Amino acid sequence: AQKITQTQPGMFVQEKEAVTLDCTYDTSDQSYGLFWYKQPSSGEMIFLIYQGSYDEQNATEGRYSLNFQKARKSANLVISASQLGDSAMYFCAMRLYNNNDMRFGAGTRLTVKP
Amino acid sequence: AAGVIQSPRHLIKEKRETATLKCYPIPRHDTVYWYQQGPGQDPQFLISFYEKMQSDKGSIPDRFSAQQFSDYHSELNMSSLELGDSALYFCASSLGGGNQPQHFGDGTRLSIL
Repeated sequence: AQKITQTQPGMFVQEKEAVTLDCTYDTSDQSYGLFWYKQPSSGEMIFLIYQGSYDEQNATEGRYSLNFQKARKSANLVISASQLGDSAMYFCAMRLYNNNDMRFGAGTRLTVKP
Repeated sequence: AAGVIQSPRHLIKEKRETATLKCYPIPRHDTVYWYQQGPGQDPQFLISFYEKMQSDKGSIPDRFSAQQFSDYHSELNMSSLELGDSALYFCASSLGGGNQPQHFGDGTRLSIL
């Protein structure tokens, strides 16, 4: 079964700076997708970015980019120009293409300081 | 754009009672998922439906059941509620599976007294 590891329980970043949230995964499957979600204190789960295992380019969505290193099985999220509204819990998740069971990491709580 | 709608937003029940949570997926999305997120935990996959048929099953207790109806809305039925069932329950939907992102509703916060 796949496993997701987020080793940073909490991170601090200064407003307007960039921050990298780490995510490593473990699977023997070749076909999978990697996702990042943001969960503010209000509780909703917001989809941020997706990277497919066969995608050769790193995914980008506005200020979010995914640093995908397949050989290292890592899928780090980079947030550029941090804003106060970025303060939230961030979850890395993985799902095999042939299974709907999406597994989440333990999450990283990001705090953006003014 | 329309999002996943969950109701109710909050629900308070007592031990041994039953609860029904509802989910209305994004229009044209054919796959629905249910997750349970305990306090301070990451979401745990419970069950999913594709085109009204159960497609995958995760850590859903036998006391829980779910179904997807002809209009694609889904319901999670929970019986003999226990204190440990207190959690945030998310429904998500996607267009297809595999590499498609799951879009989550705002969740139902269930509290068991």
